[in-house]
Order: sequence, then structure tokens, then C-alpha cells
Amino acid sequence: LAKTTQPISMDSYEGQEVNITCSHNNIATNDYITWYQQFPSQGPRFIIQGYKTKVTNEVASLFIPADRKSSTLSLPRVSLSDTAVYYCLPRPDILTGGGNKLTFGTGTQLKVEL
Amino acid sequence: DAGITQSPRHKVTETGTPVTLRCHQTENHRYMYWYRQDPGHGLRLIHYSYGVKDTDKGEVSDGYSVSRSKTEDFLLTLESATSSQTSVYFCAISGRESYEQYFGPGTRLTVT
Repeated sequence: LAKTTQPISMDSYEGQEVNITCSHNNIATNDYITWYQQFPSQGPRFIIQGYKTKVTNEVASLFIPADRKSSTLSLPRVSLSDTAVYYCLPRPDILTGGGNKLTFGTGTQLKVEL
Repeated sequence: DAGITQSPRHKVTETGTPVTLRCHQTENHRYMYWYRQDPGHGLRLIHYSYGVKDTDKGEVSDGYSVSRSKTEDFLLTLESATSSQTSVYFCAISGRESYEQYFGPGTRLTVT
């Protein structure tokens, strides 16, 4: 499975845009990039996934350059409630076997202040 | 929220005793997973299941066993609990169609 590297922590203020970049130099051709969010005392929650270029949903945007060696999660106008740990992880193609096995790293702790 | 429950939610047990954690889903999803989460390690996969009676090991499976006799239940057993197994345990499920994993509320296990 591809190894990912992301910042351990980031600080921001309410109303700002936050960009969290993740590097995944050896991502497999068929892997998608998936991001999860985890609040204290809760299990992770799926945010967004993409294969290349840009994906946007009601929560975030995900930018993946053509070489797919990195990806950037963009959170527009963050609020205090966005304080959480954010995980970047490749999602193996289920057809390669082994089910949908995911490898979570330690993630990025985002702290949003007033 | 996906219909996933874990029981018990909290448990304190003594070293050497057997412990079974239960994960129950109402989504009829094929895949089920057990993770543990410890400070500084993120989430680590213990075991997973890709169908009834079909299970496989994850990256930290030593000291744990699992069983899945029906689609909705996935049991994690610590045959003889040790203090190093003190952790928060999360169950997750996923379906073939969406690939998203949905996590349960977690079980906090303390082994004294």
C-alpha cells in the first residue's frame, strides 16, 4: 500500500480557507485518494475521494495534480466545528482483492480558533 | 448515519481474562473491519471480513481472533487480554458499491 505523508498539525482561524496537502509518491495506478475526518471520541467519517483533477462536494474540495503524487484537501471558510484530525489515504481498488483495506496514518490535527 | 453499533462501549478487565467485543450492522454490507486506535499510531487494522465466515488478518492481528457467523455481526476476541491491548476499538463496514467505510462509535477497553 502507498505510504502517505501529511503535516502533523495545522492552525487556522474561523472564516479562513484551509489547505491540507498529502504526498503519496508511490500510489498505485488504480488507487483513489480518500480523505476522512475524525472528531474526538468518534470514529472517522468519510469526507471526499477522487482519482485526478478536482472533486468538490458540500464539505470540501480535493485537488489532485496530473502526476497524482500528492493531493490537497481544501476546506472553505472553516469554523470551530472543523477542528478535527484529517486523514489522507489511498483506497485500493476492491478488485485487487482483500476487500476495501485502508491504511490510516496519524493524520493532520487541524485546530481552528476564533 | 450508518446503522452500526458496538458493545460494550466501555470495558475494564484484568490481564489474562478473555474479552469479546461485538459489532452489529443493519446495512447488510459485505465488508466489516476491526481497528484499534492508540495515541501516536492513528488507526491500525486488526482483522477484516469480506463475507460470512470469510476473514483475514490486518497489520496488528497478534493476540486477536474474529468470527463472523452472520452478515450483521462481527466479533473481536482477545483470548487473554494484556495491558498492551488497552485501546479504543472501532468497527467499520463498507459495501462494494460505495467503498466508503462507515465507523461505529468505538469501544474503550482498559486492561489492568
